[in-house]
Amino acid sequence: DSGVTQTPKHLITATGQRVTLRCSPRSGDLSVYWYQQSLDQGLQFLIQYYNGEERAKGNILERFSAQQFPDLHSELNLSSLELGDSALYFCASSARSGQNNSPLHFGNGTRLTVT
Amino acid sequence: AQSVTQLGSHVSVSEGALVLLRCNYSSSVPPYLFWYVQYPNQGLQLLLKYTSAATLVKGINGFEAEFKKSETSFHLTKPSAHMSDAAEYFCAVSGGSNYKLTFGKGTLLTVNP
Repeated sequence: DSGVTQTPKHLITATGQRVTLRCSPRSGDLSVYWYQQSLDQGLQFLIQYYNGEERAKGNILERFSAQQFPDLHSELNLSSLELGDSALYFCASSARSGQNNSPLHFGNGTRLTVT
Repeated sequence: AQSVTQLGSHVSVSEGALVLLRCNYSSSVPPYLFWYVQYPNQGLQLLLKYTSAATLVKGINGFEAEFKKSETSFHLTKPSAHMSDAAEYFCAVSGGSNYKLTFGKGTLLTVNP
């Protein structure tokens, strides 16, 4: 058990809809990362938050947004969903210092299916 | 900018045989390198990490990796494969001013009895 909790485990929704994915980091971790995993693109970094502030941005679409709350949990919002958004979405957290050599601890992911 | 190339999207070995999963990286700054393993329907678990302390890094489950700067490689090995090693393996690099990990596309390891 990594200590990172993601909910829900599965999500099935229709095109055009909006969903929210939730992540609770490991106790004490201030950094939260979101990744998208799909068969064709592999693991793609979306965005990172550190102690409530956006720290780095990756290949995140404008239809997607995220935030980290004062209690350090994070939410990833996906809107105007398209079929191609179907993927596994992982949240990860890292040590308080957020240093480069701190490994990421991953949750088990949310599998999103857009129909 | 950093990148990782994993040679071979699928590697198949017999139980008891040597496992070798290849990873080459590109980084403009001294890199930190990681290997992660993903079992079906699970998240990624850290196998081992290189942080410049020693070039040969030992990880969990008998895996190890050697950092070779001259070859920009960080290949993962295990002397004797076990059926439970069947999974997907990801090499990743970080470094510089941001802390995000850049992952390779992964190598699926199959272990045959």
